[in-house]
Amino acid sequence: KAGVTQTPRYLIKTRGQQVTLSCSPISGHRSVSWYQQTPGQGLQFLFEYFSETQRNKGNFPGRFSGRQFSNSRSEMNVSTLELGDSALYLCASSFSRANTGELFFGEGSRLTVL
Amino acid sequence: AQSVTQLGSHVSVSEGALVLLRCNYSSSVPPYLFWYVQYPNQGLQLLLKYTTGATLVKGINGFEAEFKKSETSFHLTKPSAHMSDAAEYFCAVSEPGGSNYKLTFGKGTLLTVNP
Repeated sequence: KAGVTQTPRYLIKTRGQQVTLSCSPISGHRSVSWYQQTPGQGLQFLFEYFSETQRNKGNFPGRFSGRQFSNSRSEMNVSTLELGDSALYLCASSFSRANTGELFFGEGSRLTVL
Repeated sequence: AQSVTQLGSHVSVSEGALVLLRCNYSSSVPPYLFWYVQYPNQGLQLLLKYTTGATLVKGINGFEAEFKKSETSFHLTKPSAHMSDAAEYFCAVSEPGGSNYKLTFGKGTLLTVNP
């Protein structure tokens, strides 16, 4: 069974640009969550989608957005990039509707903003 | 609001020695508790979790953790460290019945295993 796939793995952007990151969950998983990981702030929850609906959102500005498609694949978008957006963006999927927190993480997309 | 404190951002042990990684949490209700491990350039992998029931939880790779409500702790242990255990370990909490999959993570503890 294939794991969570994130693309691209690495990317470099400049300030003011926008970026779209993609996540394909494990087959059969309908929940997709996104986390930002930085050395200073650690792992922070961005948002979570289930059956194309955003169920939860973390404390991030509106420049951060996401969506989920009918096949459960998800994308997140960051507009007007800032230097502080440089981070590892992790996607996680889960099968269960229950809040047991058993997430399966992808390897992440490492974004560098210059 | 929930929070997680991991004591020690860096722990170094010798191969074969006991591993003890500390985690304390703050939550208004008994939370669900998790330990995840992250190897270099990889995502996170679930080691073990506590939701309800037995407070001593066994996970993969010989790790275990004990939920102590009175101490609001969920420390991770392994009797004998192996070189392959070198990684970063994250403790996390979520609120039962709360926001699904909104985990609050600690800052992480980097485990180094010396030969």
